[in-house]
Amino acid sequence: AQSVTQPDIHITVSEGASLELRCNYSYGATPYLFWYVQSPGQGLQLLLKYFSGDTLVQGIKGFEAEFKRSQSSFNLRKPSVHWSDAAEYFCATGFQKLVFGTGTRLLVSP
Amino acid sequence: DAGVIQSPRHEVTEMGQEVTLRCKPISGHNSLFWYRQTMMRGLELLIYFNNNVPIDDSGMPEDRFSAKMPNASFSTLKIQPSEPRDSAVYFCASSQQAPGELFFGEGSRLTVL
Repeated sequence: AQSVTQPDIHITVSEGASLELRCNYSYGATPYLFWYVQSPGQGLQLLLKYFSGDTLVQGIKGFEAEFKRSQSSFNLRKPSVHWSDAAEYFCATGFQKLVFGTGTRLLVSP
Repeated sequence: DAGVIQSPRHEVTEMGQEVTLRCKPISGHNSLFWYRQTMMRGLELLIYFNNNVPIDDSGMPEDRFSAKMPNASFSTLKIQPSEPRDSAVYFCASSQQAPGELFFGEGSRLTVL
């Protein structure tokens, strides 16, 4: 079965510093991969998605992610974090029904 | 444009009572999903519908849970009888096509005392 693993439960980053959130997938063929963000008390919002083609995908809010088949990874990156990026981030995989990782909570320090 | 609308946003009830959660998907979306989020288990897919037909209900925890989608603009998730372990945030999401983006509602926070 398809699955994703997010090894980091919490990450703290200083405002203005770069960010990388890790996601590893488990699937033989090329997976469909997604990153979602959840602000407190809100539903999830799609940041970006990867289906095929260019392995570096751009998303909203200045986020990007790179698909690396050799490492079974789809890590989320942002060059400069803003305080408003503090939220929980979920990696997900699936064609129609999505399976979500356990999430990584991002804290942004001033 | 209106997003996915869920009601109620918060529900507090006592064990044994019936709970009904409601969802209005985005107009034009043909797939609807019910997820449950807890600290212990994260986000779990309970059931999803395509064109109002239940496709996969393997995530429904037990017979106390039921979901319906009588038309393209409305779905319900019912718990009867409710138990304290059902306390969670229940999310409804809709999508237009697969693979595709799921649009989530703001969730219904259920507390069963």
